[in-house]
Amino acid sequence: GAGVSQSPRYKVAKRGQDVALRCDPISGHVSLFWYQQALGQGPEFLTYFQNEAQLDKSGLPSDRFFAERPEGSVSTLKIQRTQQEDSAVYLCASSVYPGLAGGGPSSTDTQYFGPGTRLTVL
Amino acid sequence: AQKVTQAQTEISVVEKEDVTLDCVYETRDTTYYLFWYKQPPSGELVFLIRRNSFDEQNEISGRYSWNFQKSTSSFNFTITASQVVDSAVYFCALLQGGSEKLVFGKGTKLTVNP
Repeated sequence: GAGVSQSPRYKVAKRGQDVALRCDPISGHVSLFWYQQALGQGPEFLTYFQNEAQLDKSGLPSDRFFAERPEGSVSTLKIQRTQQEDSAVYLCASSVYPGLAGGGPSSTDTQYFGPGTRLTVL
Repeated sequence: AQKVTQAQTEISVVEKEDVTLDCVYETRDTTYYLFWYKQPPSGELVFLIRRNSFDEQNEISGRYSWNFQKSTSSFNFTITASQVVDSAVYFCALLQGGSEKLVFGKGTKLTVNP
């Protein structure tokens, strides 16, 4: 079946512009995650949803970053007044169950990632 | 605090060579999970394997094998008879029990030359 999809794949923004990045998780997946990957680095956690509830947003770097998942499926990551340091690849992931912590070991609890959105802020 | 260290930034091998990617992790929890992901040039992270802290059995999947040793806090990944298609950045990641955040290492870029 279809994997996680993200759009746009590439986004160029002028400093100060607002951007919105979209994530379509795998159908039926309960959990959705956003990560930020700077050039040459590993992904870093931003935020996590279980259905429509945002359970952890501790990784969001500033109040300019906002994420939502109003109907428990598609999610949008919004960045207001973009800065050059926001340039990165933004990765979305989804998993079937409410996380490994709650469900215990299962191959279906793995986070599956989308192709990412590469954001460049000029 | 959780931390994952992949000391090898880049590795270059010739096709058919065996190669081992190192991963060392730090966590205070007794329950945790370890992962390996592959990131080809297309950018998508591809899941390879997950291990929980209570299962130290090594695993083999085709040309891939993983060596989990709690005594040294390591979860190393070996590719046997490497192929050009194995060229990618490989990430080791840790998920602590009770948390939903994957903590990644900085990755190892593997280049397999023909």
